Parts: sequence; C-alpha cells; structure tokens
Amino acid sequence: EVQLVESGGGLVQPGGSLRLSCAASGFTLSNYWMYWVRQAPGKGLVWVSGINNDGSSTTYADSVKGRFTISRDNAKNTLYLQMNSLGAEDTAVYHCVRVLPGGYDSATDYWGQGTLVTVSS
Amino acid sequence: VLTQSPDFQSVTPNEKVTITCRASQSIGGTLHWYQQKPGQSPKLLIKFASQSMSGVPSRFSGSGSGTDFTLTINSLEAEDAATYYCHQSSSLPITFGQGTRLEIK
Repeated sequence: EVQLVESGGGLVQPGGSLRLSCAASGFTLSNYWMYWVRQAPGKGLVWVSGINNDGSSTTYADSVKGRFTISRDNAKNTLYLQMNSLGAEDTAVYHCVRVLPGGYDSATDYWGQGTLVTVSS
Repeated sequence: VLTQSPDFQSVTPNEKVTITCRASQSIGGTLHWYQQKPGQSPKLLIKFASQSMSGVPSRFSGSGSGTDFTLTINSLEAEDAATYYCHQSSSLPITFGQGTRLEIK
C-alpha cells in the first residue's frame, strides 16, 4: 500500500525555519517526481515545489523561491522541504504528493495527510 | 491561471452538476480534477481532461481541451458533497483552480 507520511510541522516564529520530512512506503520513490503542495486553513490548494526522480532538477513557486529548498534521499525513501525566513503567509498544511509517471506534467495520485505549519509570534 | 465556476453550488440528490475550469492560456489536455472532502486529502478523479481513474464512480466524467474544461457529475449522491479542484500540469508553475464547493441539500 502506498503511504506518504509527513512530519516536522509545528509552531515557529516569523523569520524562523523548519524542515519537513515525508516518509514514503509501498513504492519505489526513485521512480517518481514529487511535489509539496500547501493549503492554508479554509483555503485552496497551492503548489509549492517539485523535484524530479533523482533530485537533479527542482522547481519552486515564486512565493517561496530563495527561501525553501526541496530535496530527497531515495535510499531513505524520504522527501524533504527546508523552509527558511518563514512568514505568516506560509501558515498552512503541507502535503507531500506523488506525481504519476511521466514527469512533472502529469496528474498526482497519492497525497499525504499533511503536516501543519503555523507561523506566529 | 485556472478559474473555476461556480465557487459554490447547493444541489439536490439525483441532480446533474457541471463545474467548469477555464485556463488563461491553452494547456492542451493536461488538466486534472480532484475531490476533497473535509478533513481529507485530495483524491484524483479525472486525469488528462477525460480519463477516469480506477474506482471512481461512472457518474463522474470530464471533457474539454485547450482553455475550457468541464467536470460533470450525473445523478448526484449525498457522498459527493466536497470541494472540487482542477489542476494544470502543462507548464510551471503548476496551478490549481480556486475550488468549487458542492453542498447537498
């Protein structure tokens, strides 16, 4: 069974940092592009970042470019999101998402339950 | 940019529902539809505009290409109460529509 389990969320002060992790199981992580997608409380889905199968190519939403870094360790079956210079606008549930085979230009088929990041003083 | 309409719709069981998603530029057929129920993660219903996912009830169907896309739910059931999102993967940045919330009367 495919599972994506996020961790690392919590309460952080403005300007602070957090590192999110996503433990993948039930499939071979190295075969898939992966995304992070966030959802502010009561709001819609917003794509944050994507990474290709071997981690050699990454892409970011303009709103997080230069502050967030996506990475992966396929040997550990884990996806990461390093978040720096956090602001209130980053408060959201962050979902780890698997992309269907074929590259970034495909649909997504599995979503983790998400980890909540709250930026507040 | 993806723009969905309507933002909200209150419907009765057995009714037919149509949700539209309009892209600001042509995206070919790289448009996908998701259903999100409260407290749950999104579930893929339709990929590449019209390809239904395994296990999705046949009352859900998708159509369209270029800039205009439609998700149709025939004979709505109570369990279809949810928010529906479209998603384009034609080009970066990946974008989602703002969502359409369906309420069952």
